[in-house]
Amino acid sequence: GAVVSQHPSRVICKSGTSVKIECRSLDFQATTMFWYRQFPKQSLMLMATSNEGSKATYEQGVEKDKFLINHASLTLSTLTVTSAHPEDSSFYICSARSVNSGANVLTFGAGSRLTVL
Amino acid sequence: GQNIDQPTEMTATEGAIVQINCTYQTSGFNGLFWYQQHAGEAPTFLSYNVLDGLEEKGRFSSFLSRSKGYSYLLLKELQMKDSASYLCAVRGIAVTGGGNKLTFGTGTQLKVEL
Repeated sequence: GAVVSQHPSRVICKSGTSVKIECRSLDFQATTMFWYRQFPKQSLMLMATSNEGSKATYEQGVEKDKFLINHASLTLSTLTVTSAHPEDSSFYICSARSVNSGANVLTFGAGSRLTVL
Repeated sequence: GQNIDQPTEMTATEGAIVQINCTYQTSGFNGLFWYQQHAGEAPTFLSYNVLDGLEEKGRFSSFLSRSKGYSYLLLKELQMKDSASYLCAVRGIAVTGGGNKLTFGTGTQLKVEL
């Protein structure tokens, strides 16, 4: 089946630094990828829709200058958390649409746990 | 917008059957999904309903009633490994800039006990 690879799985950084998270679709092309954030014991909140070759579409309340998204190819989207602060500590998950059981479903990466000190 | 409600927690016994309900109000509907998520891991796809009725996949079944804005996930012959969070997600109508989006409920934490 479709596989989405996400890297790094865990990252710890100092406040004020930037962190880049990569999301790759393996063996399939993804013109659209989605970035979610999940706080402990809460559900996934959509941050933005990443579109290959064009600008990302951000959800209301998500700062586009803080969360930079680049979808440079059909298999790679990156999320850069700029000038990270402790409140940005969270579980970030990317996903891409693939076909499963005849339906278009989201396949998720394994997630990246960001801890900002 | 989307509003999705699920119970926060449920407890069931190994070998039993459990039903996890999900109700939703949406401005547009294009399918309902159930995902399973173990702690610290990414969600994995369980089922998809777009038409009314029951979809069965092994020990897991999912039901949808569009007129009632209601779905449930049924888990049979519960196993300890089924202890996880179960997320109900609704897909809206395609919009420009990237296609259909999934909105997730808060998830139901299922605990399976001996």
